[in-house]
Amino acid sequence: ETGVTQTPRHLVMGMTNKKSLKCEQHLGHNAMYWYKQSAKKPLELMFVYSLEERVENNSVPSRFSPECPNSSHLFLHLHTLQPEDSALYLCASSLGTEGTGELFFGEGSRLTVL
Amino acid sequence: AQSVTQPDIHITVSEGASLELRCNYSYGATPYLFWYVQSPGQGLQLLLKYFSGDTLVQGIKGFEAEFKRSQSSFNLRKPSVHWSDAAEYFCAVGAYSNYQLIWGAGTKLIIKP
Repeated sequence: ETGVTQTPRHLVMGMTNKKSLKCEQHLGHNAMYWYKQSAKKPLELMFVYSLEERVENNSVPSRFSPECPNSSHLFLHLHTLQPEDSALYLCASSLGTEGTGELFFGEGSRLTVL
Repeated sequence: AQSVTQPDIHITVSEGASLELRCNYSYGATPYLFWYVQSPGQGLQLLLKYFSGDTLVQGIKGFEAEFKRSQSSFNLRKPSVHWSDAAEYFCAVGAYSNYQLIWGAGTKLIIKP
């Protein structure tokens, strides 16, 4: 596989469930990102990892917990979510965090919280 | 405050017609400027970017964009659209770091046969 792969593509969970989103990049990049995409709104950056260290956390509620075990894998652990957390969650990677602006995105995980 | 505005939520264009998608920004310095495209069910893909130099930049899929400093704009254009161009288009601005990109809310392009 090439590029950025996200699983699952669709997830439905109740407010008390615990689930995880997975992202894997096959590009040899050093930086990985989680974004939240809601309809008619700009992309919201959630977390950034560079060389497996978190470098940005944009005031995201603690019910979202990221994990980056190595530079190729990124997880988003979900716990006690709210219906307003329903959205498309996009993973992206880049060669580094410098401002070239070229992010490579996965196809997203569509999350529905009941 | 730093912001990106894409004034058009939806645009409908006939196949073969020309296209212009608008992007205006507010930023403290001259930023880097980007256009991304998101096809249905897909992630975002970089179309083109402007860092410096020639203000008319060429991208993939026949798109181009023009940076106008005086108008704080970076509009995306294509001379003749194809049905496969139906997608959502996002403008973004930033500098110094990829995680400081500021995104517009997107413009959905609908192609009429």
